[in-house]
Amino acid sequence: ETGVTQSPTHLIKTRGQQVTLRCSSQSGHNTVSWYQQALGQGPQFIFQYYREEENGRGNFPPRFSGLQFPNYSSELNVNALELDDSALYLCASSLDQGTVYTFGSGTRLTVV
Amino acid sequence: GQQLNQSPQSMFIQEGEDVSMNCTSSSIFNTWLWYKQEPGEGPVLLIALYKAGELTSNGRLTAQFGITRKDSFLNISASIPSDVGIYFCAGRPWVLTSGTYKYIFGTGTRLKVLA
Repeated sequence: ETGVTQSPTHLIKTRGQQVTLRCSSQSGHNTVSWYQQALGQGPQFIFQYYREEENGRGNFPPRFSGLQFPNYSSELNVNALELDDSALYLCASSLDQGTVYTFGSGTRLTVV
Repeated sequence: GQQLNQSPQSMFIQEGEDVSMNCTSSSIFNTWLWYKQEPGEGPVLLIALYKAGELTSNGRLTAQFGITRKDSFLNISASIPSDVGIYFCAGRPWVLTSGTYKYIFGTGTRLKVLA
C-alpha cells in the first residue's frame, strides 16, 4: 500500500507566476485536503476535496484553486504568486470525510 | 487563519525525562489528533482520540481527550533522542457548526532532547 506522494518536492517561482502542485492519495482514500505551512507555523487549511467536489475552504483567496480527479489524486493551483506564498504545501488524504489524515512529505515552494 | 493554542512552544529536556504538552481551543471538538513532524517531512499521526475523557496510548506516548472537549494532552514518558521534532495537535469541530470536515492544527511544540 503506497502512501501519499507529492510532486515536485521543491520549486522556485517568480512573483506573478502560476504553479501547479500534485498529490496522489493513499490507495482507498477518497478525500484530499491541502494545507499551507509557513516556516515555524502549524498547517493552515486551504481546502478539501471529496469525490471530486470541493468540500470546504479556508481563508485563502480565489487564486488558490484545486481539482480532484476520478482516481482521487489532486492538484493545487496558485495563480499570481506572491512572496508570502512561500511555504511548505502539504497534501493529506483520508479514507472518508472527517477521518484521520495521512500526509505526504510536502512541496516546498519558494517565491522570489 | 485559525490555529489552536499549544503549550509549551518549545522545550529542552534531558533524555529519560517525561514530557507533557497540551492544546486548547475556544470551541468544542469531536476528534483530536496528535502528529509529529520532522524536518523536511509531513506530519505523521501518533494518536487519534474520539470521545471526551478518552485516554489512549501508543508505546511511550499517551494522549487524552479533555472532558470539556476543548482541550487535549500528550505525554511522552522516558524521552529518547529520536523524540526530537515538532508535535502538533489537530482538532475537528462539529461539522454542523464548521460546515466542513476540516482539521484545525495547533501552533506546535518543538521538542529537543539532550542526551
